[in-house]
Amino acid sequence: DTGVSQDPRHKITKRGQNVTFRCDPISEHNRLYWYRQTLGQGPEFLTYFQNEAQLEKSRLLSDRFSAERPKGSFSTLEIQRTEQGDSAMYLCASSLVNSYEQYFGPGTRLTVT
Amino acid sequence: DQQVKQNSPSLSVQEGRISILNCDYTNSMFDYFLWYKKYPAEGPTFLISISSIKDKNEDGRFTVFLNKSAKHLSLHIVPSQPGDSAVYFCATPLSRMLTFGGGTRLMVKP
Repeated sequence: DTGVSQDPRHKITKRGQNVTFRCDPISEHNRLYWYRQTLGQGPEFLTYFQNEAQLEKSRLLSDRFSAERPKGSFSTLEIQRTEQGDSAMYLCASSLVNSYEQYFGPGTRLTVT
Repeated sequence: DQQVKQNSPSLSVQEGRISILNCDYTNSMFDYFLWYKKYPAEGPTFLISISSIKDKNEDGRFTVFLNKSAKHLSLHIVPSQPGDSAVYFCATPLSRMLTFGGGTRLMVKP
């Protein structure tokens, strides 16, 4: 299967620790997106890349969050000094440049204790 | 302020009957809409989409209707099956990101 994959699927961390998540998009997709979803809400956009360039960031993405896509393939999302409010499902998606359809990975569920 | 709204948090339907999920939007400039289905512990799965140049798009048991004057779209599932039980999200592209509604949980009873 060549869908979007994310690692890890679950992460439990203590407040103040740093965490890093990885996303591997569908191989031929140039665009990669990060979203966050909390209980009872739809996914909320965080940031997106076209190839290795980070082209847009949401106001939700505080200074503690950083994302990279170094070679235009996989991406990482790092959260520094985690807070309990960071507890959420972090979703990665990818798409072709000229398509609105985004294909999502299974997500990484973060719990900050 | 939510630009895409799903006002029904849940819907229960008997197997074999029609499921109708609704979505309202605020901006008449929105010109493309998507529906996603989400099972627990999985990411959203793309289901069906519609461009504003159409008022209907059909794919098997799934049909999306768009009413531009009312700024309303709906997803019809006929016939509903227990495996359709999931959370359904409508979404629209804003720039390159997708803006989602809050979702409707559909339960199809056998």
